[in-house]
Amino acid sequence: EVQLVESGGGLVQPGGSLRLSCAASGFTFSKYWMNWVRQAPGKGLEWVAIINQDGGDRHCVASVEGRFTVSRDNAKNSLYLQMNSLRAEDTAVYFCVRDDGHHSVDSWGPGTLVTVSS
Amino acid sequence: DFVMTQSPLSLPVTLGQPASISCRSSQSLVHSDGNTYLSWFQQRPGQSPRRLIYQISNRDSGVPDRFSGSGSGTEFTLKISRVEAEDVGVYYCMQGTQWPYTFGQGTKLEIK
Repeated sequence: EVQLVESGGGLVQPGGSLRLSCAASGFTFSKYWMNWVRQAPGKGLEWVAIINQDGGDRHCVASVEGRFTVSRDNAKNSLYLQMNSLRAEDTAVYFCVRDDGHHSVDSWGPGTLVTVSS
Repeated sequence: DFVMTQSPLSLPVTLGQPASISCRSSQSLVHSDGNTYLSWFQQRPGQSPRRLIYQISNRDSGVPDRFSGSGSGTEFTLKISRVEAEDVGVYYCMQGTQWPYTFGQGTKLEIK
């Protein structure tokens, strides 16, 4: 069974940094593209970042470009999101999401809440 | 970026009755490989999203056959043939034809 478990969320001040982690199990992590998707409180879903199998190809949505970096460690079956210069509008639940390799996503973690506030 | 527009945003339905959600894309979702990458997700209250449908009309494993997807180009529909209590939640369409993937605003299905 595919399992994705995020960690690292919490309360951070505007301008601060946070690193999210996602532990993957139940599948061969190194064979899949992976994504981060976020959901602001009471709002819809927003794709944040994607990374390919070896980490050499990665993309972020324009609103976080230059502030967020997605990375992975296949030896540890882990996905990361380094978030710098955080803003109030980055407040959201961040989901670790597996790409199905066919332009969609098929498995979601429970999410971790990031709150940016002074 | 591709803009995905859903309607209605709120959908009250009587148990056992059908329901339909529309999703429109600002551009054609036909990929250069000929496929159309439109998926549907269900998010029950307090849960993570779950994919129901991929590539317009393919149901994921374990998804009841009362859920069906259709459409082409820029217009897509998710239909529930007979709504059950467990179908309450928010439904999202998502395009994967071009990065960034983008989602519709969500349609909240509730029981009348």
